[in-house]
Amino acid sequence: QVQLQESGPGLVEPSETLSLTCAVSGYSISSDYYWGWIRQPPGKGLEWIGSIYHSGSTYYNPSLKSRVTISVDTSKNQFSLKLSSVTAADTALYYCARHLVLNYYFDYWGQGTLVTVSS
Amino acid sequence: DIVMTQSPDSLAVSLGERATINCKSSQSVLYSSNNKKYLAWYQQKPGQPPKLLIYWASTRESGVPDRFSGSGSGTDFTLTISSLQAEDVAVYYCQQYYTTPHTFGQGTKLEIK
Repeated sequence: QVQLQESGPGLVEPSETLSLTCAVSGYSISSDYYWGWIRQPPGKGLEWIGSIYHSGSTYYNPSLKSRVTISVDTSKNQFSLKLSSVTAADTALYYCARHLVLNYYFDYWGQGTLVTVSS
Repeated sequence: DIVMTQSPDSLAVSLGERATINCKSSQSVLYSSNNKKYLAWYQQKPGQPPKLLIYWASTRESGVPDRFSGSGSGTDFTLTISSLQAEDVAVYYCQQYYTTPHTFGQGTKLEIK
């Protein structure tokens, strides 16, 4: 059974960098699939942030591209998100998810982790 | 970006009745070379992540009850729940994966009347 689990600080100060990790169990990241991040502001809809392939190829939402870095650590079977220069607008539930190829639906999701941007 | 617009924003249906949610894409998500519609539907219950219900516009994910069905053309799609059950109360999202950035509809909140 594939499982994804997000982790990271729940509170980040404005202008700082948000850092999250998604640990994957039940499947080897280095085997295949793309691994993505999606966020959901409180009470609002879903926004795709970006995805990474196990080879390290990355694809970002242009709306966030200048601030986003996604990386993969196959030795730890996890991938990470960094979002720089955060503001209150970046407060959201952050989910990690899996998709087979870049243009594909998300079949497994983590439970999500709430990140609040506040001083 | 492809804009996904759902209607209605909220919907109240009696138990056992049919619920219909619509999703319209700003451009076609039908890939002509394989005749597949790059459209998925998700169900999100409070405090839970989205759960995949339907992909390729009409293929039910394994384990999803057959009262859930999806249909549509290149730009207009429908999620139908044939006989609403209490456990179907949730927010439903459509998503296009035809191109990046992946985009989602704003969500439709389904409640019991």
